[in-house]
Amino acid sequence: LAKTTQPISMDSYEGQEVNITCSHNNIATNDYITWYQQFPSQGPRFIIQGYKTKVTNEVASLFIPADRKSSTLSLPRVSLSDTAVYYCLVGPVYSGAGSYQLTFGKGTKLSVIP
Amino acid sequence: EPEVTQTPSHQVTQMGQEVILRCVPISNHLYFYWYRQILGQKVEFLVSFYNNEISEKSEIFDDQFSVERPDGSNFTLKIRSTKLEDSAMYFCASSEPPGVGIRGTEAFFGQGTRLTVV
Repeated sequence: LAKTTQPISMDSYEGQEVNITCSHNNIATNDYITWYQQFPSQGPRFIIQGYKTKVTNEVASLFIPADRKSSTLSLPRVSLSDTAVYYCLVGPVYSGAGSYQLTFGKGTKLSVIP
Repeated sequence: EPEVTQTPSHQVTQMGQEVILRCVPISNHLYFYWYRQILGQKVEFLVSFYNNEISEKSEIFDDQFSVERPDGSNFTLKIRSTKLEDSAMYFCASSEPPGVGIRGTEAFFGQGTRLTVV
């Protein structure tokens, strides 16, 4: 599995756009990039997934450059409720064994300040 | 929105006792998982389950652990003879079959069971 590196923590004021970058230099051809969010004492929650270029949904945008060695999760106009840990995961969508084993790193702890 | 439900939310048990953690996955999902998170640490994969058998398991999932789908709705994790180091948050997750669009790869997690071994 490709190793991922992301900042341990970030602070942001309410209403600002937050960009969290993840490095994955050893990403493989069949790897996808997936971001999960985890609030304290809750299970992780899927945010967004992409393979290349840009993906946008109702929650976030994901920017992936052509070389795919990094990706940036963009959260528009964050609020206090966006305070959470954000995980970047890189791996094959289908592990070949009939399941999607997810490998979580330490994630980025985002603190939104009033 | 459909969700994965786990019971109990908290469980305190004495070292050496057996515990069963219960999960009700989302009804049309076919893949089921258990993960655990020791306080302040990473979320770790334990096991995945498909078609009534284990499809993958991690090194953590040793003979002390077992999983079962006793009926059409429940998915359980049994820990025999609990140890202090088993204290953690245990998350159940489920996902759709592959090939069901991009969201087929999304795992839905429950709220977790906090297990404390004393």
